[in-house]
Amino acid sequence: EAGVAQSPRYKIIEKRQSVAFWCNPISGHATLYWYQQILGQGPKLLIQFQNNGVVDDSQLPKDRFSAERLKGVDSTLKIQPAKLEDSAVYLCASSLQGASTDTQYFGPGTRLTVL
Amino acid sequence: AQSVTQLGSHVSVSEGALVLLRCNYSSSVPPYLFWYVQYPNQGLQLLLKYTSAATLVKGINGFEAEFKKSETSFHLTKPSAHMSDAAEYFCAVSETGANNLFFGTGTRLTVIP
Repeated sequence: EAGVAQSPRYKIIEKRQSVAFWCNPISGHATLYWYQQILGQGPKLLIQFQNNGVVDDSQLPKDRFSAERLKGVDSTLKIQPAKLEDSAVYLCASSLQGASTDTQYFGPGTRLTVL
Repeated sequence: AQSVTQLGSHVSVSEGALVLLRCNYSSSVPPYLFWYVQYPNQGLQLLLKYTSAATLVKGINGFEAEFKKSETSFHLTKPSAHMSDAAEYFCAVSETGANNLFFGTGTRLTVIP
C-alpha cells in the first residue's frame, strides 16, 4: 500500500514570495490533515478536510495561508506572502474516516526555509 | 482543553538499557492517547495507541505504554534499547468526539553504544 506522498521535499524562498505544497493521501482515506512543525516543537494542526470539505481550520493563518482539496483526493497548501516565521516542516497526514481513534498516517513532509 | 507534557526533551540510554519516555496529559473528557516516532527527515509513524480498551498497550518494535488515569500519564517503555531506536518520540492526545491530535514537544532519544 502506497503511503502519503508530498512534494517538494525541500523549498527555499525569500520572504514575501509565495509557495505551494502538494499532498496525495493514502487511497480511500476520507480525512486529510496539514500540520506545521516548527523546529523543536511538535506538529500543530493547520487544517483538516473530510472529503473535500473543511472540518477545522481554526489554526490556519487565513490572511496568508490557504488550502484546498479538489475532488476529495489531492490537496494543496499555499502560503502567500511568506514570512520568516513560516520556516518549518509542513506535514500532510491522512486517516480513514477522521474518527478520534483513527490512526493518522504521515507523509515525509516539506521542509520550508524562508530567507 | 487538552494538552500534553513530555518531560525531558533529550533522553540518553545505553544500548540494552531500559527506555522510559514520559508523557502526561490534560483532558476534560476521557482521552485517546498516541505515541509516534519520527526518524530524521521522515514523517511520523505510529508506535501504539490507547483507545479505552486495555490500559497496557503493546506497540511495534517492542515498545509498550500504560495508561494511568490516576496519574494522567501514558509513559512509553522498552525493556532493552537498540541503536535503531534513536529518534524523536511524540506523545499526542485526542478527545472523544474530536477529530484532531494535540502533540507534545517531543523527546529525542539517543542510544549510546
